[in-house]
Amino acid sequence: GAGVSQSPSNKVTEKGKDVELRCDPISGHTALYWYRQRLGQGLEFLIYFQGNSAPDKSGLPSDRFSAERTGESVSTLTIQRTQQEDSAVYLCASTISTGPYGYTFGSGTRLTVV
Amino acid sequence: QKEVEQNSGPLSVPEGAIASLNCTYSDRGSQSFFWYRQYSGKSPELIMFIYSNGDKEDGRFTAQLNKASQYVSLLIRDSQPSDSATYLCAVKDFGNEKLTFGTGTRLTIIP
Repeated sequence: GAGVSQSPSNKVTEKGKDVELRCDPISGHTALYWYRQRLGQGLEFLIYFQGNSAPDKSGLPSDRFSAERTGESVSTLTIQRTQQEDSAVYLCASTISTGPYGYTFGSGTRLTVV
Repeated sequence: QKEVEQNSGPLSVPEGAIASLNCTYSDRGSQSFFWYRQYSGKSPELIMFIYSNGDKEDGRFTAQLNKASQYVSLLIRDSQPSDSATYLCAVKDFGNEKLTFGTGTRLTIIP
């Protein structure tokens, strides 16, 4: 596609429920990243994919968080047993390859856990 | 723990003046440096990147890098109200694919 597409744009869920966030990167972009941004704070790295493998998942906060990617396309970030501290905007980004390239971000999914 | 530090602001600059945004980083191994602009409620968008010491100009924007001082800056000339946003500095190390972001500087251009 023309840009990085994320869905849903907004998600309100009850504490303890599981949620799945989706990211569709720019066509041809092999590298895909997930970040989290809490209200008024900076971007927090979660996980990075090169193709469908995840060489760096060091930012996943706990084992409630997992992510997968199908080939060089869609990625899903799953949060199990959501907690209120999971409330944030989850941003996905992609780039054409590894190396000294900046990212193109999607518009994000705003997750609210009530 | 790699750190990227920015003054959170807010930084207020009169319209037409030069806005100067600063960023320092802790890891001498950092290789690539990026400036992103983030409007309120929106996702970050890439403005500029710089790899080599010195200045890099793109329109009204100039990025400056000093690796010896571990310092990168962004100058915005002829500031416009539409430049009002949060500016994020980000750093990438050689062989490490993730960007480490600063917390951003909020810039307000006063008409």
